[in-house]
Amino acid sequence: ETGVTQSPTHLIKTRGQQVTLRCSSQSGHNTVSWYQQALGQGPQFIFQYYREEENGRGNFPPRFSGLQFPNYSSELNVNALELDDSALYLCASSLFGATGDTQYFGPGTRLTVL
Amino acid sequence: GEDVEQSLFLSVREGDSSVINCTYTDSSSTYLYWYKQEPGAGLQLLTYIFSNMDMKQDQRLTVLLNKKDKHLSLRIADTQTGDSAIYFCAESMGSGGGADGLTFGKGTHLIIQP
Repeated sequence: ETGVTQSPTHLIKTRGQQVTLRCSSQSGHNTVSWYQQALGQGPQFIFQYYREEENGRGNFPPRFSGLQFPNYSSELNVNALELDDSALYLCASSLFGATGDTQYFGPGTRLTVL
Repeated sequence: GEDVEQSLFLSVREGDSSVINCTYTDSSSTYLYWYKQEPGAGLQLLTYIFSNMDMKQDQRLTVLLNKKDKHLSLRIADTQTGDSAIYFCAESMGSGGGADGLTFGKGTHLIIQP
């Protein structure tokens, strides 16, 4: 167990809708990263938040946005959903600058867009 | 650019050693990681190695790093049925906090034969 939780476990949306996914980081971790894992692929980095500000971003459009709160919780928001957004969304918490920069993953939210 | 390559499948007999290989392209990688993913689950951190190390051993796991050839391997001794999973190699260029995220390979499916 990593101490990282995500909700909901599964979600079904239709094209054009908006979705919010939630993550609760491991206590004491000040950094959260979000990844998208399409079927049969490795996870792809969406962005990272550190002290409630975006700290780095992968190759994802602005309709992917996030929030990080002081209580170790965070959100991933996706607007104008497209069919290709169907994937497993993983959050990972870490302590900025810790040895190994190790990221601890939650179980993920499986999003299906119809 | 960043790219991480892995073989898609590896089949071994129970009790034998498994060796999962990975190649990466970015020589500025600071840390390299091995994650395990079981069906329907998130990613479990197995081990990581700092880029100035050649080898790291942790119980049944041995990581070898050839920085000249940009080659990373994970050896699992005495492979058991519980080791059946997808194994991901990942690299981080993090100078602190991994703001560029982790870059993952597509994963190697480890299949255990009785």
